[in-house]
Amino acid sequence: AQTVTQSQPEMSVQEAETVTLSCTYDTSESDYYLFWYKQPPSRQMILVIRQEAYKQQNATENRFSVNFQKAAKSFSLKISDSQLGDAAMYFCAYRRDDMRFGAGTRLTVKP
Amino acid sequence: GAVVSQHPSWVICKSGTSVKIECRSLDFQATTMFWYRQFPKQSLMLMATSNEGSKATYEQGVEKDKFLINHASLTLSTLTVTSAHPEDSSFYICSVTGSSNQPQHFGDGTRLSIL
Repeated sequence: AQTVTQSQPEMSVQEAETVTLSCTYDTSESDYYLFWYKQPPSRQMILVIRQEAYKQQNATENRFSVNFQKAAKSFSLKISDSQLGDAAMYFCAYRRDDMRFGAGTRLTVKP
Repeated sequence: GAVVSQHPSWVICKSGTSVKIECRSLDFQATTMFWYRQFPKQSLMLMATSNEGSKATYEQGVEKDKFLINHASLTLSTLTVTSAHPEDSSFYICSVTGSSNQPQHFGDGTRLSIL
């Protein structure tokens, strides 16, 4: 079974600074997808960024980028120029047939 | 606009009541929908995969007789929590996807509180 591990229950960053959230996963598959979702207090699940495992190039979406290391099964999220609105729970997710989530990282942004 | 509509958003009911939660795919026909449960300060745990026209596939530890799933059409899946008890109180979220290479779209969730 696939497992997703987020080793940082909580992280804090100063506004306008950069923060990196860690994620590792375990799979025997070679073709899969990885995602980062943001869940604010409203509990909506908001897609932040996605990465196809067959692509070597790291995905980027504005201030959000990933460091995808397939051999190491690592998928970290970097948030640049952090904003107060970035404060939320962040979940790393692995998908092949269904989607599995890590335990989440609560990000606090300090003004 | 919303891709997935989940209803109701919040329900409070007495112990022993059965509660039905609806999940509708608005933008496309979904042969597969997923149901998750999220306890406070925890992650989303996959409960079951809902397959249109066939039986749902339940994750280990999830009672299929307790959590009835019906996926009668390509746009609607329902989750019925039968004879709900306080320990069933949780946040239930459904998601839909058009295909395996597309991201899942999530409903806004249902907060279930059993008194």
